[in-house]
Amino acid sequence: DAEITQSPRHKITETGRQVTLACHQTWNHNNMFWYRQDLGHGLRLIHYSYGVQDTNKGEVSDGYSVSRSNTEDLPLTLESAASSQTSVYFCASSDSDRSPGNEQFFGPGTRLTVL
Amino acid sequence: AQKITQTQPGMFVQEKEAVTLDCTYDTSDQSYGLFWYKQPSSGEMIFLIYQGSYDEQNATEGRYSLNFQKARKSANLVISASQLGDSAMYFCAMRERELGNTPLVFGKGTRLSVIA
Repeated sequence: DAEITQSPRHKITETGRQVTLACHQTWNHNNMFWYRQDLGHGLRLIHYSYGVQDTNKGEVSDGYSVSRSNTEDLPLTLESAASSQTSVYFCASSDSDRSPGNEQFFGPGTRLTVL
Repeated sequence: AQKITQTQPGMFVQEKEAVTLDCTYDTSDQSYGLFWYKQPSSGEMIFLIYQGSYDEQNATEGRYSLNFQKARKSANLVISASQLGDSAMYFCAMRERELGNTPLVFGKGTRLSVIA
């Protein structure tokens, strides 16, 4: 079955270190998204991509970067981790089918702690 | 800019009763899509139901229905015959354009607790 996976599921790192969170989907979806979830804020958009070599900034993109070299993967990099980036990170993907209710499928999430 | 407001941080409901989770939205777009997702304690995000801005009828999916009132900009989720497994966080979300793949804007969520 097609799926979307994230790794690692849990990570603890130190302030100032570079961290990369992986997202891999086998749906062959063109559209991929990264969100972060914090108490009291719901999910907020970090970056997104509509296809290979395409990346766009979201609401809370400062301190994060993404690159899209193939359809399946959209890794999220924290250039210099900060304690404010302690959060749960969700990757999602969706098809380019222009049908109503074309929902996003979410990965299981990565819990990141920055000490 | 789009905005979703969920005014109920937490709610309790008796098992087998119906419950309504409130969601209001703000957008200047004429075309948009509204979603509800469920997040159980295990953490995954589960899609529940979708309503397009041009849909004339309220969406229904099993025990879930969406009470869509366009003029009031509300998209409340109704869960009928609540079950213990319905205990979870519920997020209302929207995207610009009814047909599209733009990112979602989420509300802060409502934590529903179902009591036996």
